Order: sequence, then structure tokens, then C-alpha cells
Amino acid sequence: ETGVTQSPTHLIKTRGQQVTLRCSSQSGHNTVSWYQQALGQGPQFIFQYYREEENGRGNFPPRFSGLQFPNYSSELNVNALELDDSALYLCASSPRTGVGEQYFGPGTRLTVT
Amino acid sequence: DQQVKQNSPSLSVQEGRISILNCDYTNSMFDYFLWYKKYPAEGPTFLISISSIKDKNEDGRFTVFLNKSAKHLSLHIVPSQPGDSAVYFCAAKGWGGGSNYKLTFGKGTLLTVNP
Repeated sequence: ETGVTQSPTHLIKTRGQQVTLRCSSQSGHNTVSWYQQALGQGPQFIFQYYREEENGRGNFPPRFSGLQFPNYSSELNVNALELDDSALYLCASSPRTGVGEQYFGPGTRLTVT
Repeated sequence: DQQVKQNSPSLSVQEGRISILNCDYTNSMFDYFLWYKKYPAEGPTFLISISSIKDKNEDGRFTVFLNKSAKHLSLHIVPSQPGDSAVYFCAAKGWGGGSNYKLTFGKGTLLTVNP
């Protein structure tokens, strides 16, 4: 059974640029959630995708957007990057929406300069 | 407004002793609680969970206690081992269409187990 994978591991971007982060969910899981973890903080919910539709969203502006594909992999896109977007971005999958246990990937460390 | 609070940023214990990590919450809509462990450069790993209909759940060395009236939960690790050294996050999930899909996390507690 393959766990949650994310790419890339690290990324450095300039303010104003756009970035795409990728996530492959654990085998058998149809739900993917994205979280942002700033330094010294706990993960904060960005949004969740279930069966290719956005299923819920946290307090993040519209320049954070996502996609889920038929194989349940997912992308997180961030436009017009700001310095405060520098964080660890975590993807988590679960067998269905509404389930408590979510299984996390290793994250993508984004640095915006 | 932080709905899940872990008021101790760090905790240090001796190998073999008990580690107790605490968590408080404010949202009465939370009905499911989880603990995650995180090593540097890795994602959080699920440890143990508890539903609001229970007051205790045990899995090997890990036990989670829930006190709903106090809106408090704790994670006990007995005996503590050096490999348990990590950041521990408390997380909560609500019920109902507005919040049953996301986890709300505390800021974490760094546990150090000394040999």
C-alpha cells in the first residue's frame, strides 16, 4: 500500500509568481485535504476535495485554488505569491469525507522571497 | 481565535517515565479528537483518536483521555522512549455540514525523552 506522496519537496519562488504543488493520495482514498503549516504553528485547513469537487474551504483567499483528478491525485495552486505564503504545505488523504483520520504526506516546503 | 489549544510548547521527561500531553478546546461542535506525532522533515503521523461518546481510548503505550465537561483531553505515553521525541499535535473534527470535513489543530508540544 503506497502512502501519500507530495512533490516537489522544496521550492523557492519570488513574490508575485505562481506555484503548483502536487499530491498523490493513499491507495483506496478518494478524499484529499490541503493544509498550510507556518513556522511554530499547527497545520491550518485550506480546502478539501472529494470526488473531484471542492468539499469545504478554510479562511484562505481565492488565489489559493485546487484540483482533484479522476485518480484522486490533487494539485494546490497559489497565485500572486506573498511573503507570508512561505510555509510547509501538507496534503492529507482519507478513505472518504467526514472521516476523522487523515493521513499526511511529507509536505512541500515553499519559500517566497 | 484558537479553538484547539496546547498550552505547553515543550515537555521533557526521562526514559521509562510517563509523558502527559494536554489539550483544551473551546468549540462544543467538536465530536472527534486525534493526536498526531511529527518528526522534522516528515508529515504528521496519526497516533490515536477518541470519539466524544468515550472518555478513554488505549493503544499499546498510548492512552487518550477525554473530559467533555472540561473540554480537555490528554495523551499519556507509558513508558516513554527516546524515539517518542517529536512534536505532538492535538486535532479536532466537528460534526455537521459546516465542519465535518476538516481538522483543527493546536500549535503542538515538543516532547523530549531523555535517555
